Formats: sequence, C-alpha cells, structure tokens
Amino acid sequence: GDSVTQMEGPVTLSEEAFLTINCTYTATGYPSLFWYVQYPGEGLQLLLKATKADDKGSNKGFEATYRKETTSFHLEKGSVQVSDSAVYFCALSDNTGNTPLVFGKGTRLSVIA
Amino acid sequence: NAGVTQTPKFRVLKTGQSMTLLCAQDMNHEYMYWYRQDPGMGLRLIHYSVGEGTTAKGEVPDGYNVSRLKKQNFLLGLESAAPSQTSVYFCASSSSRAGTDTQYFGPGTRLTVL
Repeated sequence: GDSVTQMEGPVTLSEEAFLTINCTYTATGYPSLFWYVQYPGEGLQLLLKATKADDKGSNKGFEATYRKETTSFHLEKGSVQVSDSAVYFCALSDNTGNTPLVFGKGTRLSVIA
Repeated sequence: NAGVTQTPKFRVLKTGQSMTLLCAQDMNHEYMYWYRQDPGMGLRLIHYSVGEGTTAKGEVPDGYNVSRLKKQNFLLGLESAAPSQTSVYFCASSSSRAGTDTQYFGPGTRLTVL
C-alpha cells in the first residue's frame, strides 16, 4: 500500500538556520503530496501542497518540490524563526477516489533564539 | 465561521466506560474523518465518512464506532474504553476527495483511559 517516510526528529535549529525535512513516498500512479503543520496545542493545518510532478508548493517561506524521479517531497526553508517550532507532517493522496490521506509519522522542529 | 469544532477537549475515563466524541463542521463539507495521534506513530485514520449516512473503516477501527446522521456532525463512540485508547483524537473535514482538497482539522480531544 501507499506509504510516507519522514526523517525522524526532533530537529533543533538556531534562529535563521536553513531547514530541510526529508520526505519520501511509495505510491502507485500519480499521488498528490502535502505538508501539514501542527503548532503546540493545536490541530493540523495545511502548509503547502503539490499535485503533479515538478510542481513546487510554497507558503510562509517554506517550499517543497514534487520529485517523481526520486519519489520525494522535501520541505525547505531558508531562515527559520522561533515561531516555526512545530510538528511537520508529510502526506499523500493517491487521487483514485475516496482514499483518505496517508500521513508520515511527523517531524518535531524546535527553533531556539 | 467556527470551522471544525470538537467536544469535549479533555476527558478521563475508567476502563470499561463508554463515551462519545462529537465533531461538528460548518463548512458544508461532504467528507469527515476521525484520527488518533500517538507519540511516534503520527496520525492514524480510525473511521471516515464520504457523506451523510455513510461510514467506512480506516486503518485502526477496532474498539470504535461512528455515525454520520447529519452532514455537519460526525460522532466517534467508544463502547468499552481500554487503556490502549488513551490518545489525542482529531476530527477533520474536506469538501471532496482528499487528493484535491485541503483537510481542515479540529483542535483535538485528549482522552485518558485509566
């Protein structure tokens, strides 16, 4: 079945550091890919998405490019802030019908001043 | 516009007790979902619904039941709670297929079963 693998955390960075959170997937066909973010004490919210190969999703300074050749969707940000501290989830949907999202296990990011 | 709301926010049960978690959305979404979140496990889908009156099993449905009698509400029931059901439960909704539309999440319910 479809699956998503994320780098294990926690990840601790200093403010203004460069961030990469790796995500790879296994799926048949052409899935859509997502990054969701969960801030402390809250539910998840969509950060960005890409629906076809070579698409780049971007939001709030975060970017991820859908790479079909490497089955990856790595999340990047050039300069993190303390307010980016959260848990980040990579997810996919196979687009074939009613199948819900498949989530990775999440990566906790802590940014220190 | 409240989005997705969950009731209650916190609950402590004793083993064998029953309870119902309520999820409500005011966005007229067709699809609704119940997830549980456990440390190191990410989010796991319990049950979901593709429309009023429909339900389907997710990845971890055992020990839970659901009902979608009204389009805006999705109820999750625990008939006989067990310590293994200690978790944070999230409800979500989307307007159509998850592949093309954003899922909107509620704030979660933290359940402890003693």
